[in-house]
Amino acid sequence: GAVVSQHPSWVICKSGTSVKIECRSLDFQATTMFWYRQFPKQSLMLMATSNEGSKATYEQGVEKDKFLINHASLTLSTLTVTSAHPEDSSFYICSATGQGLLEQYFGPGTRLTVT
Amino acid sequence: AQTVTQSQPEMSVQEAETVTLSCTYDTSESNYYLFWYKQPPSRQMILVIRQEAYKQQNATENRFSVNFQKAAKSFSLKISDSQLGDTAMYFCAFLIQGAQKLVFGQGTRLTINP
Repeated sequence: GAVVSQHPSWVICKSGTSVKIECRSLDFQATTMFWYRQFPKQSLMLMATSNEGSKATYEQGVEKDKFLINHASLTLSTLTVTSAHPEDSSFYICSATGQGLLEQYFGPGTRLTVT
Repeated sequence: AQTVTQSQPEMSVQEAETVTLSCTYDTSESNYYLFWYKQPPSRQMILVIRQEAYKQQNATENRFSVNFQKAAKSFSLKISDSQLGDTAMYFCAFLIQGAQKLVFGQGTRLTINP
């Protein structure tokens, strides 16, 4: 099956710094990637959708200047949390789908802790 | 707007028992897909089963089967002969044909007790 990786799996950063999370499709071309945020014991909240080579489409209420998404190739999307604050601490999950694929394939997630 | 509702926040059964997780959805679309995803303690999302709305036959994957009632907009998941490894959060999700975004339910936390 299609495999999606995320790096890092866990990151701690200081308040005010930026952190980048990578999402890679390992064995298929990801024409569309999604970034989700998940709080403990809650469902996944879609943050943005990115199509390769295009600007990401952000969901209502998500600050696009804070959560920078780049999808420059068919195998890589990045999420950069700029000027991180403790309230940005969360579990971030990416998923990807491609031409002819119906399902989204999920990465293992990244736990971000901002101190 | 499409919504997905999982009315059971938590469930607990004994190993080897059968358990049914409920899911209802609301849409005016006629062509769509429904999914059940499993999120174990590792937090990796895993697709359990998929149902195309145009198919009348209920999908089955080994011990997992669904009861899809299109008119009632209901999509329940039945787990037979439950195993300890089935302990996880289960999310019901909806996708309109041709669209990109999945709509998730709130999730049901299932615990299988030895």
